[in-house]
Amino acid sequence: DIQMTQSPSSVSASVGDRVTVTCRASQGISSWLAWYQQKPGKAPELLIYTASSLQSGVPSRFSGSGSGTDFTLTISNLQPEDFATYYCQQANSFPLTFGGGTKVEIK
Amino acid sequence: QITLKESGPTLVKPTQTLTLTCTFSGFSLSTSGVGVGWSRQPPGKALEWLALIYWDDDKRYSPSLKSRLTITKDTSKNQVVLTMTNMDPVDTATYYCAHRPVGANYFDYWGQGTLVTVSS
Repeated sequence: DIQMTQSPSSVSASVGDRVTVTCRASQGISSWLAWYQQKPGKAPELLIYTASSLQSGVPSRFSGSGSGTDFTLTISNLQPEDFATYYCQQANSFPLTFGGGTKVEIK
Repeated sequence: QITLKESGPTLVKPTQTLTLTCTFSGFSLSTSGVGVGWSRQPPGKALEWLALIYWDDDKRYSPSLKSRLTITKDTSKNQVVLTMTNMDPVDTATYYCAHRPVGANYFDYWGQGTLVTVSS
């Protein structure tokens, strides 16, 4: 199985900040990576697919980069509605696997 | 637009079999390339992928749960059913179904989820 390791597990930030979340795969996954946002009591929502493609309707302050084993989700100009937990997921091979999550909290 | 909704019991007893139904609209599971997957999330924990069924009835399972899982589809009813046998309290989680778009194994539309508690 491909293990997905996210860091940090949590981060405190203020509105307007730039936040970076990293995701590392235990083996190369090309660009087959997705990022999701999840708010408490809600289902995950797709933000980014194939590492850097922005899902329709997602604000442009969200961006993704990386390939191979190292990936980054960046939120520029953090907004109040962005405080949530973020998960990466590798879509390269089965079993599909998620990272452990990164909680973005209000500072 | 694409919507999905999970249904099934909220409480099951240990050793029982769980049957969850995902009813969807806005797409057809007979369309080439499309799929529906199931994932779960124990309270306060991360997401875990369980199973995926494709338009052509190809099926994939999490190896750690494969012996307990069965995924099927009813294209005429726009439904996907997941069964999990021999339920245990550690299986307590919110179970989600989601749409797999053509070309990649990620999920672009999710159901609201259904919380299943395993307790005697």
